[in-house]
Amino acid sequence: DTGVSQDPRHKITKRGQNVTFRCDPISEHNRLYWYRQTLGQGPEFLTYFQNEAQLEKSRLLSDRFSAERPKGSFSTLEIQRTEQGDSAMYLCASSSRAKNIQYFGAGTRLSVL
Amino acid sequence: TQLLEQSPQFLSIQEGENLTVYCNSSSVFSSLQWYRQEPGEGPVLLVTVVTGGEVKKLKRLTFQFGDARKDSSLHITAAQPGDTGLYLCAGHPGGGADGLTFGKGTHLIIQP
Repeated sequence: DTGVSQDPRHKITKRGQNVTFRCDPISEHNRLYWYRQTLGQGPEFLTYFQNEAQLEKSRLLSDRFSAERPKGSFSTLEIQRTEQGDSAMYLCASSSRAKNIQYFGAGTRLSVL
Repeated sequence: TQLLEQSPQFLSIQEGENLTVYCNSSSVFSSLQWYRQEPGEGPVLLVTVVTGGEVKKLKRLTFQFGDARKDSSLHITAAQPGDTGLYLCAGHPGGGADGLTFGKGTHLIIQP
């Protein structure tokens, strides 16, 4: 068990560029969650998957945000046309259906210049 | 309005002192989790409390879930510099399997 893995750990981009982050969950976990955390705040839920099905996406911040989990294993979160307000830590978590406890990765820190 | 209110927001104390931080809500939670987060890292799960009135101990940390399952507390005995971090409570209001609702956290600094 290697834990939840996120890549990259840090991303610096210019305003208007697209960025994509990857999350590899704990291998036996079928649920995967994305959160955003800004300075001084707790994590804010964005979306989640059970296997390859995206069961909740109404909390994505805008239509510039999208997530996929095509084979029910790793997931990607894409932000199109980034804005300075997108600068934050993006966290991924996973859980199993049997034990509804979420384990977090180390996050991807995004800085939009 | 935050669904989960944590207090205090910031706490700085000397090594060896005791402290309590609180997580309060007007909503009922099927369970609450406590996480600890260090700068630049993801939250690390400390404990899950499920039953109203439940008390769980993790070495010098004692977690309590309120009888009505609307609040929780974390008490640290003889705090050490290694306890420094952001303590977050989180849960699913009314149950469910989707995203957790988090409080803003308590920033704890233990000075040697």
